[in-house]
Amino acid sequence: DTEVTQTPKHLVMGMTNKKSLKCEQHMGHRAMYWYKQKAKKPPELMFVYSYEKLSINESVPSRFSPECPNSSLLNLHLHALQPEDSALYLCASSQSEREDSYGYTFGSGTRLTVV
Amino acid sequence: RKEVEQDPGPFNVPEGATVAFNCTYSNSASQSFFWYRQDCRKEPKLLMSVYSSGNEDGRFTAQLNRASQYISLLIRDSKLSDSATYLCVVKPGSARQLTFGSGTQLTVLP
Repeated sequence: DTEVTQTPKHLVMGMTNKKSLKCEQHMGHRAMYWYKQKAKKPPELMFVYSYEKLSINESVPSRFSPECPNSSLLNLHLHALQPEDSALYLCASSQSEREDSYGYTFGSGTRLTVV
Repeated sequence: RKEVEQDPGPFNVPEGATVAFNCTYSNSASQSFFWYRQDCRKEPKLLMSVYSSGNEDGRFTAQLNRASQYISLLIRDSKLSDSATYLCVVKPGSARQLTFGSGTQLTVLP
């Protein structure tokens, strides 16, 4: 079982809906990440949180809004998405943003379909 | 030039074969190197870290050549369960996040 838990596993939403993706880890990691992955492509970084503060926003449209309520939780709020936003959304964590000799641990992802 | 480039694949090999994947990276200051495995419609999972001295984990051997900025993964005695996409991943520097190659698809045939 993955140590990074994401919910929901699947989500279908309309373009006017508001939804949230959730991610949780209890490994004491202080860096958490959101990635977007389209079919047959590598993951693309969206956001980085380091010690609960937004560290990096890779020019992501404002219809994606991240939130880090505490060191174990990471949310991604979705509003007014487009069909091209349909993808696998992956959460990951690492010991810290700079110390990641052990790589990242990924959650199993949320498969999002925008209709 | 992409920061991390991999063999395009796909690789289709018979069970028991030995297969090698290659990867090059552009940033000479890169610090950490990994191979991840991703099964269809699943999340990437860390297969192994890659060290300059080379490292082995069972049937898997990873090598790093810093001078040539080249990373390799060797899989011996391929199993059907090795079928997956293998992602070469590099940390370009201390202030940078992991950078993923585009992945190489492996199918091991019975």
